Amino acid sequence: DIVMTQSPLSLSVTPGEPASISCRSSQSLLHSDGRNYLDWYLQKPGQSPQLLIYLSSNRASGVPDRFSGSGSGTDFTLKITRVEAEDVGVYYCMQTVDSPRITFGGGTKVEIK
Amino acid sequence: QVQLQQSGPGLVKPSQTLSLTCVISGDSVSSTSAAWNWIRQSPSRGLEWLARTNYRSKWYNDYAVSVKSRAIINPDTSKNQFSLHLSSVTPEDTAVYYCARVYVSGWYRGMDVWGKGTTVTVSS
Repeated sequence: DIVMTQSPLSLSVTPGEPASISCRSSQSLLHSDGRNYLDWYLQKPGQSPQLLIYLSSNRASGVPDRFSGSGSGTDFTLKITRVEAEDVGVYYCMQTVDSPRITFGGGTKVEIK
Repeated sequence: QVQLQQSGPGLVKPSQTLSLTCVISGDSVSSTSAAWNWIRQSPSRGLEWLARTNYRSKWYNDYAVSVKSRAIINPDTSKNQFSLHLSSVTPEDTAVYYCARVYVSGWYRGMDVWGKGTTVTVSS
């Protein structure tokens, strides 16, 4: 299975400040169709994970534009330009290039200072 | 708006079979633009994909290696739902279980709809 490694494990951010989360994969997530099969999810406290970004850089419907994803191959980044209180929770990356053998990162917990 | 409604027992005895159901509204289990998944989450294993069913001219079912010998995913077109049956459970199967949709419209669009989760404890 493809191993997904996230860093940092946790992040404490002042509202209005930026935040960045890294995700690295043990194998390339670049498919022969030219797309990187890497998603980002946010699990707010007490809720199910919700889709933020798919195919490395595409924002899901309704996701604020302060969230952006980038990267290719084995290195990916989720950036939040200005963190808001509602952004707290655990962020996960997930690969589907090896579908159906989907694997998740261990998560990055974001809290507000 | 697509919604997934999960149901199933919160407590299962060791060696018994865990059965969970996910009822789909706003989409069809037979949709050729979707794949229907079961995922679980535990402190020790994190988020773990378990199984998938999808219809592409015929039904395809796939399983994680970790549960392949014990799991059955079953689509039910008459009730527009899909289920997971996990046999011979042990305390290691204690987790929150989620059903979720992967959406493919032209191309992959992510795991965009999730159920609320069912907390399952395996204990005598």
